[in-house]
Amino acid sequence: DGGITQSPKYLFRKEGQNVTLSCEQNLNHDAMYWYRQDPGQGLRLIYYSQIVNDFQKGDIAEGYSVSREKKESFPLTVTSAQKNPTAFYLCASSTSGTTGELFFGEGSRLTVL
Amino acid sequence: GQQLNQSPQSMFIQEGEDVSMNCTSSSIFNTWLWYKQEPGEGPVLLIALYKAGELTSNGRLTAQFGITRKDSFLNISASIPSDVGIYFCAGRVSGGSNYKLTFGKGTLLTVNP
Repeated sequence: DGGITQSPKYLFRKEGQNVTLSCEQNLNHDAMYWYRQDPGQGLRLIYYSQIVNDFQKGDIAEGYSVSREKKESFPLTVTSAQKNPTAFYLCASSTSGTTGELFFGEGSRLTVL
Repeated sequence: GQQLNQSPQSMFIQEGEDVSMNCTSSSIFNTWLWYKQEPGEGPVLLIALYKAGELTSNGRLTAQFGITRKDSFLNISASIPSDVGIYFCAGRVSGGSNYKLTFGKGTLLTVNP
């Protein structure tokens, strides 16, 4: 079945460590996104990518990094520079960056100990 | 950036009741999307709207794209316990190069059997 797969579902990290969240899609979508969700808040855009080997910062990119080496993959690294990394992270994709509906993965919950 | 207000923040209703929620924007949107999110999961797309005045149904759910293009409404008829979750609206502005979706903060729906 087509969809978006995020892993791991749950992740614990010590302060000062980098961690990478995986996002893979087999929908043949060009655009991919990473959002952060905190309780009581709307989704906030971290990074997005419209095509392979290109990506742009979203509204809260500080302390995060991404890569887009393959169309189907868009991993997110939460670096030690991110001051408040504990959150629910959502990956999404769409047919293009200018139109179309966004489809989400099941999310990854990161907890910093 | 665009401001998007979603109301109400939460609703507690009895099974069988109808539900209404809405989103209003400070900007004109060309797309409205409605999502449902269950605890620990990613949002699932319910309805997509692309034209002012458009009224679209998905089972017991009906959503409308406001004529002013600055608002949208979601109605759920004859609610059932599995309707429980957070409902998000999302909008995309008209024209220009801004293709980022803006999300509402969500409406938490609780249905008492």
